[in-house]
Amino acid sequence: DAGVIQSPRHEVTEMGQEVTLRCKPISGHNSLFWYRQTMMRGLELLIYFNNNVPIDDSGMPEDRFSAKMPNASFSTLKIQPSEPRDSAVYFCASSPRQGAIYGYTFGSGTRLTVV
Amino acid sequence: GQQLNQSPQSMFIQEGEDVSMNCTSSSIFNTWLWYKQEPGEGPVLLIALYKAGELTSNGRLTAQFGITRKDSFLNISASIPSDVGIYFCAGQNYGGSQGNLIFGKGTKLSVKP
Repeated sequence: DAGVIQSPRHEVTEMGQEVTLRCKPISGHNSLFWYRQTMMRGLELLIYFNNNVPIDDSGMPEDRFSAKMPNASFSTLKIQPSEPRDSAVYFCASSPRQGAIYGYTFGSGTRLTVV
Repeated sequence: GQQLNQSPQSMFIQEGEDVSMNCTSSSIFNTWLWYKQEPGEGPVLLIALYKAGELTSNGRLTAQFGITRKDSFLNISASIPSDVGIYFCAGQNYGGSQGNLIFGKGTKLSVKP
């Protein structure tokens, strides 16, 4: 099992540019989560999907952030336009089913730096 | 919003020592999880707890789900250098979004050989 795969591992971009982060969940997992990690705020849930459908996007900071899951094996998190305060590590996680009791498997993250 | 208070923030210990860290919440949780994160990687699940009072072990790790449902602790016995990392508690509470696993700020563990 390859685990949750995220790309790129590192992204450096200029303020105002569009950034797209990608995630491939574990095959057979029905729930997918996007988290952001910063020193100040720790791990924060941005959005999660169940069976490819967005269930809760209340953690998405603002309209500049959007996420899609066109199929069971792929999801994207887009930031347009990016700002320096978006600099963080973004994690994707997947779970067999909805609900924390199943545990979440995290990817290795994308470290985003906006200059 | 929901918050988990995790302590201590950091620990510096000698190899072989036992470690204890805990998490508290102002609200009831129905699931507690403990994760470990190493540099450059995502958190990895160590132990999951599903009912109040439950005590679960995974090798040298032991965790308990508090009877009040508002706290949990993690113990590591006979620490070794590879225990170094950041340990996070995480919980899901009654009435919360089914997918919203809330994380503590972490306990950074350093082990001196």
